[in-house]
Amino acid sequence: EAGVVQSPRYKIIEKKQPVAFWCNPISGHNTLYWYRQNLGQGPELLIRYENEEAVDDSQLPKDRFSAERLKGVDSTLKIQPAELGDSAVYLCASSAPTGFETQYFGPGTRLLVL
Amino acid sequence: DQQVKQNSPSLSVQEGRISILNCDYTNSMFDYFLWYKKYPAEGPTFLISISSIKDKNEDGRFTVFLNKSAKHLSLHIVPSQPGDSAVYFCAASAGSGGSNYKLTFGKGTLLTVNP
Repeated sequence: EAGVVQSPRYKIIEKKQPVAFWCNPISGHNTLYWYRQNLGQGPELLIRYENEEAVDDSQLPKDRFSAERLKGVDSTLKIQPAELGDSAVYLCASSAPTGFETQYFGPGTRLLVL
Repeated sequence: DQQVKQNSPSLSVQEGRISILNCDYTNSMFDYFLWYKKYPAEGPTFLISISSIKDKNEDGRFTVFLNKSAKHLSLHIVPSQPGDSAVYFCAASAGSGGSNYKLTFGKGTLLTVNP
């Protein structure tokens, strides 16, 4: 079974530029998460989707971050414009329908903003 | 405010010995706890979990202990193997009905198992 796929794996941009990350969850997983992991820290949840609905986006900085999950499968996380402090690893995870379901993480996108 | 704390940034043990990784939490609403392992350039991988109704859960070489009164949990790896060398994250959730969707992670502990 294929795992969570993310692209790109690495991205270097200059500040004020836009950037987008893509995630394809495990087949059949209707719940999708985006996390940000800063250096030396644990992952922090940005947004959670149940199918195509964003059910928890309380931690998403909405002035510059946006996300979408059209058709309830793939998802895109965008930052516009990027700031130096956005340098981090952006992780996507997915899980099967609600309950004590394990979250499976993708390899992440490492973003460096110069 | 760090709700999940892993106070040891790193731990080094000899192959074959026991590794004990510790985690403390402050939020009394947490009712589900997990350990994830992370290798460089990979995403975290689920290792083992425990519900607050239990005080121990075992899976092969990995055992997690939960002490609710102390708000403390630990991961024991016996025997430790070089392939266990990774960063270990403790995570907790306070989902209604037991859903573990909102995980709060600690900062991680780097375990090095020496041959």
